[in-house]
Amino acid sequence: RKEVEQDPGPFNVPEGATVAFNCTYSNSASQSFFWYRQDCRKEPKLLMSVYSSGNEDGRFTAQLNRASQYISLLIRDSKLSDSATYLCVVKSYNQGGKLIFGQGTELSVKP
Amino acid sequence: DAGVTQSPTHLIKTRGQQVTLRCSPISGHKSVSWYQQVLGQGPQFIFQYYEKEERGRGNFPDRFSARQFPNYSSELNVNALLLGDSALYLCASSSHTENTEAFFGQGTRLTVV
Repeated sequence: RKEVEQDPGPFNVPEGATVAFNCTYSNSASQSFFWYRQDCRKEPKLLMSVYSSGNEDGRFTAQLNRASQYISLLIRDSKLSDSATYLCVVKSYNQGGKLIFGQGTELSVKP
Repeated sequence: DAGVTQSPTHLIKTRGQQVTLRCSPISGHKSVSWYQQVLGQGPQFIFQYYEKEERGRGNFPDRFSARQFPNYSSELNVNALLLGDSALYLCASSSHTENTEAFFGQGTRLTVV
């Protein structure tokens, strides 16, 4: 079983749609959680950190459920420029702080 | 300020050859990590260095090695290249090993033929 699992998609949505990505992780010792965005053939870039209380950044909302070991990302009013791969990432300090990535979920927003 | 820089950006090698990839972290960052990303997958952790010491190693064969220099730059070396080593190799720098954001370089795309 992979340490971090995501639905690979692709998710094809029209502009303005709301889309939700889910992610589960297996290591209960995981302590930090993130969503990264990766454009085609580019490096991953931090989109947002994820906290148990939930956090919002404009059209993006991230949630963490530690009991279920589940992370989510909600994108509202999607734009063409949101088209990218979204990577769910966890960090466990008992593993030297390495980042553990899911395989990524591809999003394509169409006009 | 310059971000994380990696060289070369693209590389083509033949099976059995050796390759060295280079990474310069953001100024002031002392931690460098290396990741391998094959097509269609998320990046996989290879090594982490902090203050020139290895702090973590992923599940990669001994053909993979790395080091960090006194100026905190780093090299990743891969010997006896296999076709399966073809991937995007990413370097990430952070100020510490824990609880700080990691910034990625643009990567080196290695193709083994």
